[in-house]
Amino acid sequence: EAGVAQSPRYKIIEKRQSVAFWCNPISGHATLYWYQQILGQGPKLLIQFQNNGVVDDSQLPKDRFSAERLKGVDSTLKIQPAKLEDSAVYLCASSTWTGEETQYFGPGTRLLVL
Amino acid sequence: AQTVTQSQPEMSVQEAETVTLSCTYDTSENNYYLFWYKQPPSRQMILVIRQEAYKQQNATENRFSVNFQKAAKSFSLKISDSQLGDTAMYFCAFMKHNAGNQFYFGTGTSLTVIP
Repeated sequence: EAGVAQSPRYKIIEKRQSVAFWCNPISGHATLYWYQQILGQGPKLLIQFQNNGVVDDSQLPKDRFSAERLKGVDSTLKIQPAKLEDSAVYLCASSTWTGEETQYFGPGTRLLVL
Repeated sequence: AQTVTQSQPEMSVQEAETVTLSCTYDTSENNYYLFWYKQPPSRQMILVIRQEAYKQQNATENRFSVNFQKAAKSFSLKISDSQLGDTAMYFCAFMKHNAGNQFYFGTGTSLTVIP
């Protein structure tokens, strides 16, 4: 079974630029999560999708971050414009909706904002 | 709001020894899940073990076991016969079992296994 795929793996941009991350969850997984993990901290949930609907985006900085999951499969997370404090690893995870809610994580995208 | 606390930022253990990582959580929920995830250096997060709150029996996965104390809201991870490959960040996580199934992570414990 293929795991959660993310791209790119690394990205370096200058502040005020835009960046987009892509995630492809495990086939059949209805729930998709985007996390921000700042160095030395635990993952912080940015947004959670159930199929193509948003379940929780309470911690998403909506003035600069946006995410979509149009067909209930792949998802993109965008930052526009980026700030220095956005430097982090962005993790995508997916899970089923059957009661066995273990999350499976992708390798993450490491973002450095200069 | 749910909070997850890991009070040990760093720990070390001799190879083949046993180590226990602590985790406490705060919730008013009765139906939830608890997890320990492992994140090796520069590698992706993987599940170590999970515990359903309604189960009194502590979960065990090979060398990994938990001590789940529901009344005390404590969920510690015991690693027996530590191996060099156990060196990683360990995150405790809490999940409410409701329509949203939101996850909350602790700040992590960095474990180093010493040869």
